[in-house]
Amino acid sequence: EPEVTQTPSHQVTQMGQEVILRCVPISNHLYFYWYRQILGQKVEFLVSFYNNEISEKSEIFDDQFSVERPDGSNFTLKIRSTKLEDSAMYFCASSRTSGYNEQFFGPGTRLTVL
Amino acid sequence: GNSVTQMEGPVTLSEEAFLTINCTYTATGYPSLFWYVQYPGEGLQLLLKATKADDKGSNKGFEATYRKETTSFHLEKGSVQVSDSAVYFCALSWANQAGTALIFGKGTTLSVSS
Repeated sequence: EPEVTQTPSHQVTQMGQEVILRCVPISNHLYFYWYRQILGQKVEFLVSFYNNEISEKSEIFDDQFSVERPDGSNFTLKIRSTKLEDSAMYFCASSRTSGYNEQFFGPGTRLTVL
Repeated sequence: GNSVTQMEGPVTLSEEAFLTINCTYTATGYPSLFWYVQYPGEGLQLLLKATKADDKGSNKGFEATYRKETTSFHLEKGSVQVSDSAVYFCALSWANQAGTALIFGKGTTLSVSS
């Protein structure tokens, strides 16, 4: 069964460093998403992406964040200058565009900022 | 604003016990409602959904009914198994709009012992 994959599973970085989290969505899906979950808190929406542009973003998704689909399979989230409070589990998801919004999630990347 | 509230966990049950996890929502309009489940080390998986009032979603013995009058979508299962141990997330979205964010509750951890 097709699934969303994410790499790495765990990333440790120093405050102020740039990180790139990678996702491979399901191949026939057209909408892509990033969510995050700070330990003990809610899963929060960050951004959705369609047709090579952002379709919706939350207040969390500020200028420090960017997303890209560099080729036909990968979808990346970049954090330019990480802060301690960026430590969280980051989930990628994808969905088809058929008026039906079921989103399929990857296993997540745990980001630890020291 | 739009939000989802779930009962606090963890919920600890013996095998074959009855399960209820409460979920209420605040939303403008008529969202679709979802339950997602996250097994250890895996991503979030859609468990069931309901797209309009009085709809009942069901899957793997779990059920939830969309109650507009009480703005609730409680998850129930008549007889839980050890394999149901996981984190359960209630969520809402507008499923007729692909690319729209899912809004999640905080998640409820279920632990079932034999």
